[in-house]
Amino acid sequence: DAGVIQSPRHEVTEMGQEVTLRCKPISGHDYLFWYRQTMMRGLELLIYFNNNVPIDDSGMPEDRFSAKMPNASFSTLKIQPSEPRDSAVYFCASRPTSGSLNEQFFGPGTRLTVL
Amino acid sequence: QKEVEQDPGPLSVPEGAIVSLNCTYSNSAFQYFMWYRQYSRKGPELLMYTYSSGNKEDGRFTAQVDKSSKYISLFIRDSQPSDSATYLCAMSVGNAGNMLTFGGGTRLMVKP
Repeated sequence: DAGVIQSPRHEVTEMGQEVTLRCKPISGHDYLFWYRQTMMRGLELLIYFNNNVPIDDSGMPEDRFSAKMPNASFSTLKIQPSEPRDSAVYFCASRPTSGSLNEQFFGPGTRLTVL
Repeated sequence: QKEVEQDPGPLSVPEGAIVSLNCTYSNSAFQYFMWYRQYSRKGPELLMYTYSSGNKEDGRFTAQVDKSSKYISLFIRDSQPSDSATYLCAMSVGNAGNMLTFGGGTRLMVKP
């Protein structure tokens, strides 16, 4: 199993540009999560999906952020327009419905720098 | 005040030492408690999972939960250089797999 795949691994962009982060969850996992990690705020849940449907987006910081999951094997997190304070590592995670641990499996993250 | 507080460290110990990592929390509704380990430039991975109060042991790792004090701990016995990582505590109220609240993480360095 390849695990959760995220792309790009690193992104450097200028303020005002649109940024799209991509995630491929583990095959068969019904839940997908987007997190943001910074030194100041730690690891924060932004939004999560169940069977491609957004369930809770209360962590999305503002309207500049949007997330979609058009099918079971792909999700995007878009920031438009980007700002320097959006600089962080963005993680995607997935988990199956079954299983006693309800463990979330994290991808390697996308390190975003907004200049 | 954050819902989950964790000393950021870094915590530096010699190889073979017993390590104690701790988190305090304010939400008494938390029922599920987890420890994740995160190596540098990697995603977190689940290390230990406990439900409600009590202890759980897995090899060199022991997780303790004291709900009356709103305090959880992770002990690492016979620490190894490969244990060097950031340790994140995480908690949830309901279904353990979804709305997780993470501590800020403690960076641990085990020196050979």
